[in-house]
Amino acid sequence: NAGVMQNPRHLVRRRGQEARLRCSPMKGHSHVYWYRQLPEEGLKFMVYLQKENIIDESGMPKERFSAEFPKEGPSILRIQQVVRGDSAAYFCASSPNQGANTGNTIYFGEGSWLTVV
Amino acid sequence: LAKTTQPISMDSYEGQEVNITCSHNNIATNDYITWYQQFPSQGPRFIIQGYKTKVTNEVASLFIPADRKSSTLSLPRVSLSDTAVYYCLVGEGAGNMLTFGGGTRLMVKP
Repeated sequence: NAGVMQNPRHLVRRRGQEARLRCSPMKGHSHVYWYRQLPEEGLKFMVYLQKENIIDESGMPKERFSAEFPKEGPSILRIQQVVRGDSAAYFCASSPNQGANTGNTIYFGEGSWLTVV
Repeated sequence: LAKTTQPISMDSYEGQEVNITCSHNNIATNDYITWYQQFPSQGPRFIIQGYKTKVTNEVASLFIPADRKSSTLSLPRVSLSDTAVYYCLVGEGAGNMLTFGGGTRLMVKP
């Protein structure tokens, strides 16, 4: 949780609205990961991005979900036309390079809690 | 995908040492083993990471046998504030997806 900033911490949306979740990685980190955690479950990988590139989006739902990490500014996870099943905690993590399998630690933010009513 | 298996839950008492073992039979040669702690309504917090043998920091120790097919997180003298879910993860593949299992829910009692 050292320095990965997520906002908003809590977001309430009505069905059909759009949700935008923002993540600023730790200083010096160029790799960003988004995870989703449903109540009472473990975190599930969604997408892995570097600046201006999506490296791996194998965990992203095919529709309504998109992510970006522009050259300037935070990474954004966007959920269009939200449904109640999208209610979850969304965690962002960052690393300086390729993450755990190279011995580098991935640091998580405090999460954004989305509630769809 | 390399998978990890941990006990679903464990109970302990304040002041005791807690050892949580994780199985990862399909760990790859270049994979590291990382443990995270998560409190309710918070993000996972890094505890410790290792590749082989033993690693120790100010919070915990990590024991990894020579075959690396399992690892044990050791928490010395736990307190009530150590009540949390502990996740064992193994790094894998070029995409660096961390596969979170269900974790181990540790309950520390007074």
